[in-house]
Amino acid sequence: QQQVKQSPQSLIVQKGGISIINCAYENTAFDYFPWYQQFPGKGPALLIAIRPDVSEKKEGRFTISFNKSAKQFSLHIMDSQPGDSATYFCAASINAGNMLTFGGGTRLMVKP
Amino acid sequence: DAGVIQSPRHEVTEMGQEVTLRCKPISGHDYLFWYRQTMMRGLELLIYFNNNVPIDDSGMPEDRFSAKMPNASFSTLKIQPSEPRDSAVYFCASSFRDRGSPLHFGNGTRLTVT
Repeated sequence: QQQVKQSPQSLIVQKGGISIINCAYENTAFDYFPWYQQFPGKGPALLIAIRPDVSEKKEGRFTISFNKSAKQFSLHIMDSQPGDSATYFCAASINAGNMLTFGGGTRLMVKP
Repeated sequence: DAGVIQSPRHEVTEMGQEVTLRCKPISGHDYLFWYRQTMMRGLELLIYFNNNVPIDDSGMPEDRFSAKMPNASFSTLKIQPSEPRDSAVYFCASSFRDRGSPLHFGNGTRLTVT
């Protein structure tokens, strides 16, 4: 069964701190790993994505770290800001297809 | 582009009633997805279409749910009859067919069945 497990379910971080969200998968056929960000009352939106041929991808304050052997990947938010407060979903797909399997989501709160 | 447009934003109905949710995808997109979001189960893929043709409906919970895409610019998700356990936020998303193309989500329809 295709599954992506995400942790923690919720996270509180002080402004300026580092937020870390972890995901693990089982299906080794997965080869595309995006992260989506969702604000209240809105649909999720693509934040950043990685392919397994690299171990890390950075875009501004957001970094994905990928460990293929452990079948794990994580999102790091550096210098977290109150505006980063949202729900974050990791996801995975096969052949970089658009049929995504989502993790359960992490509700992040960044305190001023 | 206005993005993916869903209507209504909120729907409150009584158990047993028919509910129809509507979606207008982004023009030019090839795929259309319907997702359901709940606290317990997160984001679940219900069905997706490729060029208006249903490809995978294995996520549709039961026969009470049906989805159609009569043309490239419109899709509906119907629940008949509705039950309280159908209460959730339903999202429509669309994307190009290119691998790695992002999904563009609408703002969802919050359904409450009493």
